[in-house]
Amino acid sequence: GENVEQHPSTLSVQEGDSAVIKCTYSDSASNYFPWYKQELGKRPQLIIDIRSNVGEKKDQRIAVTLNKTAKHFSLHITETQPEDSAVYFCAASMGNQGGKLIFGQGTELSVKP
Amino acid sequence: DAGVTQSPTHLIKTRGQHVTLRCSPISGHKSVSWYQQVLGQGPQFIFQYYEKEERGRGNFPDRFSARQFPNYSSELNVNALLLGDSALYLCASSFEYTQYFGPGTRLTVL
Repeated sequence: GENVEQHPSTLSVQEGDSAVIKCTYSDSASNYFPWYKQELGKRPQLIIDIRSNVGEKKDQRIAVTLNKTAKHFSLHITETQPEDSAVYFCAASMGNQGGKLIFGQGTELSVKP
Repeated sequence: DAGVTQSPTHLIKTRGQHVTLRCSPISGHKSVSWYQQVLGQGPQFIFQYYEKEERGRGNFPDRFSARQFPNYSSELNVNALLLGDSALYLCASSFEYTQYFGPGTRLTVL
């Protein structure tokens, strides 16, 4: 069935270092891949997304890469700051009009000052 | 511009009771999806509604039902509550691909 695997489950970095979180999806029909940041007790917030017709997308310190052949996508955060500490979720979807998102298990990122 | 709103914020129920959760999407968004998030896990898809029609259903029992109203707001109903239904229930509204989440309703079943 549909599945998204996310690694690592926890990640600790020093402030200023880079952080990379990786996801693998099972359904080759997936065509939309968002990343959400969720702070404790708060809603998931979209930080970046990518569609299957694009290989890479950047937004300031955040970038996402997609390898459709391998069914892998990754989140890259550069120059990490303590406020980047949160749980990050990747997700995959097969359609527009707000179709079903399949989420990964989450990565708890801790950025130490 | 207001984001997605949900009510109530918190809810405590006992086993066997039913509950109704409400969601108002971002103005102009016609699609609403519901997710269940258990502590320590990613959100699990329950339902999607678009233009008042069910477009998708996740792997949840028939005790879960939902509907969407002409103004695109939505309700999620859960009957015969079980302890395992305790979770954060998230509503997301969308325009095309991007889904924006509401603050959620924290449901505790005792």
